[in-house]
Amino acid sequence: SQTIHQWPATLVQPVGSPLSLECTVEGTSNPNLYWYRQAAGRGLQLLFYSVGIGQISSEVPQNLSASRPQDRQFILSSKKLLLSDSGFYLCAWGGQVAGNEQFFGPGTRLTVL
Amino acid sequence: SQQGEEDPQALSIQEGENATMNCSYKTSINNLQWYRQNSGRGLVHLILIRSNEREKHSGRLRVTLDTSKKSSSLLITASRAADTASYFCATAGGSYIPTFGRGTSLIVHP
Repeated sequence: SQTIHQWPATLVQPVGSPLSLECTVEGTSNPNLYWYRQAAGRGLQLLFYSVGIGQISSEVPQNLSASRPQDRQFILSSKKLLLSDSGFYLCAWGGQVAGNEQFFGPGTRLTVL
Repeated sequence: SQQGEEDPQALSIQEGENATMNCSYKTSINNLQWYRQNSGRGLVHLILIRSNEREKHSGRLRVTLDTSKKSSSLLITASRAADTASYFCATAGGSYIPTFGRGTSLIVHP
C-alpha cells in the first residue's frame, strides 16, 4: 500500500533562517506531488506541484521553492524565512494513478519567531 | 476561481443528529471531492463525485452534486462524536488539481 511521510513533524525557526521540509512517498511510481500551506483556521493554499522529476510548477510567488530530486521525493525550501511563513505544511500525492484523489501526509507545523 | 466555499463555517450538533455541509463553486468542474481533517493532522479523502454524477453514498456519507447550481452537499447521518473534524470540499477542472475551500468545522457533542 502507499504511504507518505513528512518530516519533521514540528519545527521552530528564527526569522531569516533557512528551511528544508522533506516529503517521500512509498508504494507508487510517478506520482503527482503537491505542497500546500494551511494557515490557522483556514483552507489549503497550493504552493507547488510536480508531475515528474525536476518538474516544478509554482502557484504562488513567495520566498519558498520546491525541488523533486527523485521520483518519490519532494522538498520544500527557503533561504530566509519570514514570519508569514508560519503555518501547517502538507504534502500530498495524487493524479490519475490515484484516481484523481489526493493522499496527504501528516504535515509539518512550522513556527517562525 | 474554481475554489469551493463551504457553508456553514461552523456547525455544532448532538450525537445522533444529521450534519449537512454545503459547497458552492464558480466555474465548471470535472469532479468534486470531500475531505476530512482532524485537528493538527493531514486530510483524509472521503468521497469523489464526477461532474456527470448526481449522488454518491459511502457508509453514513451522502454527497450530492448539482452542476446547474454549482453546488454540492455532504450529509453525515447519525453523527458520532468521532465525526468531529473539519470538512473540506475540493473542486477540480481541466488540470484535475483540486482547489480547496476553507472548510466547515463540525463539532458533535456526545
